[in-house]
Amino acid sequence: DGGITQSPKYLFRKEGQNVTLSCEQNLNHDAMYWYRQDPGQGLRLIYYSQIVNDFQKGDIAEGYSVSREKKESFPLTVTSAQKNPTAFYLCASRQRGFTDTQYFGPGTRLTVL
Amino acid sequence: AQSVTQLDSQVPVFEEAPVELRCNYSSSVSVYLFWYVQYPNQGLQLLLKYLSGSTLVKGINGFEAEFNKSQTSFHLRKPSVHISDTAEYFCAVTPSDTDKLIFGTGTRLQVFP
Repeated sequence: DGGITQSPKYLFRKEGQNVTLSCEQNLNHDAMYWYRQDPGQGLRLIYYSQIVNDFQKGDIAEGYSVSREKKESFPLTVTSAQKNPTAFYLCASRQRGFTDTQYFGPGTRLTVL
Repeated sequence: AQSVTQLDSQVPVFEEAPVELRCNYSSSVSVYLFWYVQYPNQGLQLLLKYLSGSTLVKGINGFEAEFNKSQTSFHLRKPSVHISDTAEYFCAVTPSDTDKLIFGTGTRLQVFP
């Protein structure tokens, strides 16, 4: 089955710890995205990558970091500098064209205690 | 800057009744328009999209939307809803000069028996 995998589904961390969220896709898509979802705020773009070894900041990149060493993988690190990291994180991918559909993974719910 | 407005945060409706979820956007360039659905604790799934051509777009699960350029709207409709349509619905746009997807804040559709 082709799709996007995010792991784990639920993640708990202590305040001050860095944590890395996994995102893998086997759709052979060029572009990948990370969004943060909070109740009543919709989805906000954290980082995106249109090609391997290249990525751009989205609207709320502060306190996050990413890497894109392989086409199929786009991990997101939530650092201790992120003031309010508890949220639902969604990864997406699409072919590079603007008109192509973004396909979403199932999400990771991060809770920082 | 582009923006998407979903005026209704919640829409309650009885089963088999019609429903309309409203979406308006603001953009200085042409846009591509999307509606996504999100079931609890899951990722987003594409319902339909408008790229060009006929302004009435049909999607999955009996949903349709109409693009109105003069009113900058892309309202989602379904003539008869089911309990299983209970979910969060997001309107989104991709401006023609960017690779980003800009989301509205979502509308929670609650279908009652």
